[in-house]
Amino acid sequence: GAVVSQHPSRVICKSGTSVKIECRSLDFQATTMFWYRQFPKKSLMLMATSNEGSKATYEQGVEKDKFLINHASLTLSTLTVTSAHPEDSSFYICSAREDSVETQYFGPGTRLLVL
Amino acid sequence: EDQVTQSPEALRLQEGESSSLNCSYTVSGLRGLFWYRQDPGKGPEFLFTLYSAGEEKEKERLKATLTKKESFLHITAPKPEDSATYLCAFNSGYALNFGKGTSLLVTP
Repeated sequence: GAVVSQHPSRVICKSGTSVKIECRSLDFQATTMFWYRQFPKKSLMLMATSNEGSKATYEQGVEKDKFLINHASLTLSTLTVTSAHPEDSSFYICSAREDSVETQYFGPGTRLLVL
Repeated sequence: EDQVTQSPEALRLQEGESSSLNCSYTVSGLRGLFWYRQDPGKGPEFLFTLYSAGEEKEKERLKATLTKKESFLHITAPKPEDSATYLCAFNSGYALNFGKGTSLLVTP
């Protein structure tokens, strides 16, 4: 089956610093990747759609200057949380959609804690 | 507005006690109804995609069905390892829109 990895799985950082999260599709190419955020006991909230070779599309209310997305290759997308604050603490999950297929495959998630 | 609504919010079953989870949807131009399983602290795991009314798919103790208004995830003789949150989602054309999920607990 299609495998998506995320790194790191857990990160703790100080307020004001930036954190980069990587999302990789290991055994398929993904022109499109997605970034979600999930609060405790809540469902997934789409933050942005990442397209290889072009700018990401952000959902309403998501600050694009705070959550920088880069999709430089067909197997890698990165999310950088800039100048992180405690309210950015959350569970971030990426997914990748195999080209020409509707199904999205999810990574294991990254737990971010900003102190 | 397109949306999916899952019920019940939480379900507790005894091992071996079969049941169904419901996902009602109002989506114009459905391009797939998806079921995922999510364990605590992990990303969702893909289970099924259904595209048209009448379609059924099975995997081990799980069977997903689709009508014109809802989808069911039937769990036959569940085991404790089936405990998880089950999410349904529809394809809006470029992204998945998730329901709030059903938290399933199967006790020995």
